[in-house]
Amino acid sequence: GAGVSQSPRYKVTKRGQDVALRCDPISGHVSLYWYRQALGQGPEFLTYFNYEAQQDKSGLPNDRFSAERPEGSISTLTIQRTEQRDSAMYRCASSLPGAETQYFGPGTRLLVL
Amino acid sequence: AQSVTQPDIHITVSEGASLELRCNYSYGATPYLFWYVQSPGQGLQLLLKYFSGDTLVQGIKGFEAEFKRSQSSFNLRKPSVHWSDAAEYFCAVGAKAGTALIFGKGTTLSVSS
Repeated sequence: GAGVSQSPRYKVTKRGQDVALRCDPISGHVSLYWYRQALGQGPEFLTYFNYEAQQDKSGLPNDRFSAERPEGSISTLTIQRTEQRDSAMYRCASSLPGAETQYFGPGTRLLVL
Repeated sequence: AQSVTQPDIHITVSEGASLELRCNYSYGATPYLFWYVQSPGQGLQLLLKYFSGDTLVQGIKGFEAEFKRSQSSFNLRKPSVHWSDAAEYFCAVGAKAGTALIFGKGTTLSVSS
């Protein structure tokens, strides 16, 4: 596609439910990043993939958060047993091989009630 | 610790006036520097980037930024602001490909007529 796409754009869920957020990177971009942006803050790194391999997951806040990219293209960020503090904008970015510039998608706004 | 500081949370500028948004960083390695803009309902759009070479870089929409190593700064400028420039602006720093970007908290720009 022309840009990074994310779905859903908005997600409202009840505390304790699991949610799955999807990211479809720009065609040809092998690197994929997930960030979380709280209200009034800048994006904060969660995890990073190169092809299907998760290279860095140091930013995942706890074991309720996980991510996968099984075929090296679309990625899913899963949050289990959601809590109100998980409410935020979740952003995905992708980049070309060996490139420093990351291109961001529109984000998924998650609200946990 | 690596960090990015955007000292101004909110700035209001008259349409047609000049603009400067401040960004200071703390980074151990040679930094790659970025400015992104976030308009309501949109993703983060890359305005410009600095990797090396000429310290004055030009970006899209008439923006430019100057890298000053001695001041650890990368301020964003525009000579004449348009109403459509009203948005939130983020400064970010990174290193080689495959590393997380570190963002500042952002500066919200309002444009008055």
